[in-house]
Amino acid sequence: DTGVSQDPRHKITKRGQNVTFRCDPISEHNRLYWYRQTLGQGPEFLTYFQNEAQLEKSRLLSDRFSAERPKGSFSTLEIQRTEQGDSAMYLCASSPTTFPRGDEQFFGPGTRLTVL
Amino acid sequence: DQQVKQNSPSLSVQEGRISILNCDYTNSMFDYFLWYKKYPAEGPTFLISISSIKDKNEDGRFTVFLNKSAKHLSLHIVPSQPGDSAVYFCAASAGGGGADGLTFGKGTHLIIQP
Repeated sequence: DTGVSQDPRHKITKRGQNVTFRCDPISEHNRLYWYRQTLGQGPEFLTYFQNEAQLEKSRLLSDRFSAERPKGSFSTLEIQRTEQGDSAMYLCASSPTTFPRGDEQFFGPGTRLTVL
Repeated sequence: DQQVKQNSPSLSVQEGRISILNCDYTNSMFDYFLWYKKYPAEGPTFLISISSIKDKNEDGRFTVFLNKSAKHLSLHIVPSQPGDSAVYFCAASAGGGGADGLTFGKGTHLIIQP
């Protein structure tokens, strides 16, 4: 049973650089979510895909953030022109359409981003 | 404005005793509630959930209680074990469609003492 995987696990970048993170969900899950978690806080919802369609993106933190899921399988989250405030853990989660209702989400290990 | 609140940042419990973690919510649209456990450097792991049509759900050592009128839920762990030491997050969902994601509290760090 393969869980959600994320790559890389850690990323250190300089302010102003672009970064891209990858998420591979559980294979039979058609729903995919991205969250951000900062120190002392719970995960904060960013965006949601059902198959390849991005059905919610208004919660992305700024227009520097974008996400794709081109073939309905893996997804990428890109942050352009990174700022020090972008330093956080970026979590990906997936869920099937019903489990029994689809609210239960299964999280990957996260990508820890440090912006210098 | 925090819609899901976990007012105890930390909780220390002796091994073998009951651990009770509390969570309050303010959004009346929430109709599904979940508890997640998180170890350092790992993603949250789903523990147990409850629909708003129920007031209790049990799974082994874990029981979640929901009091809708008080907008309050709690997670009971009996008996507490050393491996239960982790951060526990309460989360809530509205509508089940997925598009709103889950709304999380700030977490409670549970420490099980031998």
